[in-house]
Amino acid sequence: DAGVIQSPRHEVTEMGQEVTLRCKPISGHDYLFWYRQTMMRGLELLIYFNNNVPIDDSGMPEDRFSAKMPNASFSTLKIQPSEPRDSAVYFCASSPLWGHGYTFGSGTRLTVV
Amino acid sequence: EDKVVQSPLSLVVHEGDTVTLNCSYEVTNFRSLLWYKQEKKAPTFLFMLTSSGIEKKSGRLSSILDKKELFSILNITATQTGDSAVYLCAVEPVTQGGSEKLVFGKGTKLTVNP
Repeated sequence: DAGVIQSPRHEVTEMGQEVTLRCKPISGHDYLFWYRQTMMRGLELLIYFNNNVPIDDSGMPEDRFSAKMPNASFSTLKIQPSEPRDSAVYFCASSPLWGHGYTFGSGTRLTVV
Repeated sequence: EDKVVQSPLSLVVHEGDTVTLNCSYEVTNFRSLLWYKQEKKAPTFLFMLTSSGIEKKSGRLSSILDKKELFSILNITATQTGDSAVYLCAVEPVTQGGSEKLVFGKGTKLTVNP
């Protein structure tokens, strides 16, 4: 298995632009999570899905953030419009039902200038 | 609000030293506590602990949980430069959906010098 695959690895964009981050979870995993990591706040859960259905999006900072999971093998996290304070590493992770531990993707380092 | 606090925030040791990393937590309904190692990229899973007093061990790393005092420790013996990383502690609260929604601490940055 190739693990959780995220793209792009790095993204540099100008303030106000739309940014789309992509994730392919491990096949057969029922849960998909989007996390954001910064030095100040550590790893924060943004949203998670169970069987493609969003379960808890209480961590999404504001309406500029949205996430979708159109099928079991693909999810996107979109920021529109982006702001410099959105600069962070965004991780996608997946886990099997009742399994232990997540498998994280390699992350997308987002820089908004 | 569920919370995880790790200490120390950073630690510098010499190869061969033994280190102990601490994790304390507050969670409404506890299911498990997990340790991850994060080097340059994604966190990688080390241990999951659900029961008090039972040590989990993998090579030079070991961990134990105290559910009464709400903390866990991660021990690394005979440290090597390859152990340099950020070690993350996370707790999994019980949720209605039964999912693995983890709450992470900010991590302990360990630097092992040759």
